[in-house]
Amino acid sequence: GAGVSQSPSNKVTEKGKDVELRCDPISGHTALYWYRQSLGQGLEFLIYFQGNSAPDKSGLPSDRFSAERTGGSVSTLTIQRTQQEDSAVYLCASSLFARLNTEAFFGQGTRLTVV
Amino acid sequence: GESVGLHLPTLSVQEGDNSIINCAYSNSASDYFIWYKQESGKGPQFIIDIRSNMDKRQGQRVTVLLNKTVKHLSLQIAATQPGDSAVYFCAESADTGANSKLTFGKGITLSVRP
Repeated sequence: GAGVSQSPSNKVTEKGKDVELRCDPISGHTALYWYRQSLGQGLEFLIYFQGNSAPDKSGLPSDRFSAERTGGSVSTLTIQRTQQEDSAVYLCASSLFARLNTEAFFGQGTRLTVV
Repeated sequence: GESVGLHLPTLSVQEGDNSIINCAYSNSASDYFIWYKQESGKGPQFIIDIRSNMDKRQGQRVTVLLNKTVKHLSLQIAATQPGDSAVYFCAESADTGANSKLTFGKGITLSVRP
């Protein structure tokens, strides 16, 4: 497809379980972002990948959260030992960063519910 | 800045009126700015962008104004329609170096009264 694809679209997990969320960015986009959005709130930055540079992990809320981007394309956000406060929509976005920055395109998000 | 732990402010406008949504940014190195619209249950969608060499840019029914002196960005929507009801986010970035990632503002909910 032409857009950013995220899977699964919905995930219900039990407290304490690990989850993996996947993001397929737009082909050729060098920048990839993960955000978290709780109901009725704004976008909380989690992590940013840009080309071969070291990722900006400054937004990860705890060491239970980690993310990888393999081959400069697909990214996986992993949450270990999930807690109820992790329940939110996790949004991925990608952008083309050549000489100038350009807009980021968002996926539809993964709605995570921890029960 | 980051938008964590706060419910979003709401702007209520009458259908047909013009809407002005404001955003203050803090990074003087930012030189690229975007407005996004997020409808319920969807990811944010690009509306319009502007680079720092401009102070105004117009799209279809939307205008973005940039005041670099006071680090202020605004989105004007002409003849607001019910379909404009959504959350609006501004985003900023610099074109080089450590500031290149997009940083989002807190977001504002636009509610259009019929």
